[in-house]
Amino acid sequence: ELKVEQNPLFLSMQEGKNYTIYCNYSTTSDRLYWYRQDPGKSLESLFVLLSNGAVKQEGRLMASLDTKARLSTLHITAAVHDLSATYFCAVDKGTSYGKLTFGQGTILTVHP
Amino acid sequence: GAVVSQHPSWVICKSGTSVKIECRSLDFQATTMFWYRQFPKQSLMLMATSNEGSKATYEQGVEKDKFLINHASLTLSTLTVTSAHPEDSSFYICSARRDRGSYEQYFGPGTRLTVT
Repeated sequence: ELKVEQNPLFLSMQEGKNYTIYCNYSTTSDRLYWYRQDPGKSLESLFVLLSNGAVKQEGRLMASLDTKARLSTLHITAAVHDLSATYFCAVDKGTSYGKLTFGQGTILTVHP
Repeated sequence: GAVVSQHPSWVICKSGTSVKIECRSLDFQATTMFWYRQFPKQSLMLMATSNEGSKATYEQGVEKDKFLINHASLTLSTLTVTSAHPEDSSFYICSARRDRGSYEQYFGPGTRLTVT
């Protein structure tokens, strides 16, 4: 059974600081996704990582994938209040493309 | 492009009644749609996969007779919660994928169901 674990589950940051959210998964997969969810809303796609060593950046967020270590990271640079949200990573179940298994989510709060 | 809508956005129903939730891909044809459930302050759990023209496949532990899924066309999938109970209260989110080889899926805005 595929398991996806995020760390930390809660993250309180000061504006301007850097931090990293980690996503570990238990079985081989080549597709990893990062999503953002605001309270009461659905998911917003942030990144799709498709191969080992993939790195993608958008604004203050950068995601990377190490398939050998079964680890993805979401790095936040110089956090701002607008980044406050819940962040989920999700892994595709390999042969059944599209069947995503989600991590628990990381609740990020950025303080002035 | 790649917009997915859901209707209704929220619904309140009485225990024992049935509720239908629609998921539509507005500007593309979706061969596959997925239904997820999210309880408050929890993650998303995949309930079932819906392929146009064939029966839905349900994840382990999901009652197929309670959660009826119909993928009638390439742009519409429906989820019917039958004989709803308070424990079915949740946020239901659908997603759609263009074709089986596509890695991208597009999420709908979600439907909040409250059963009283």
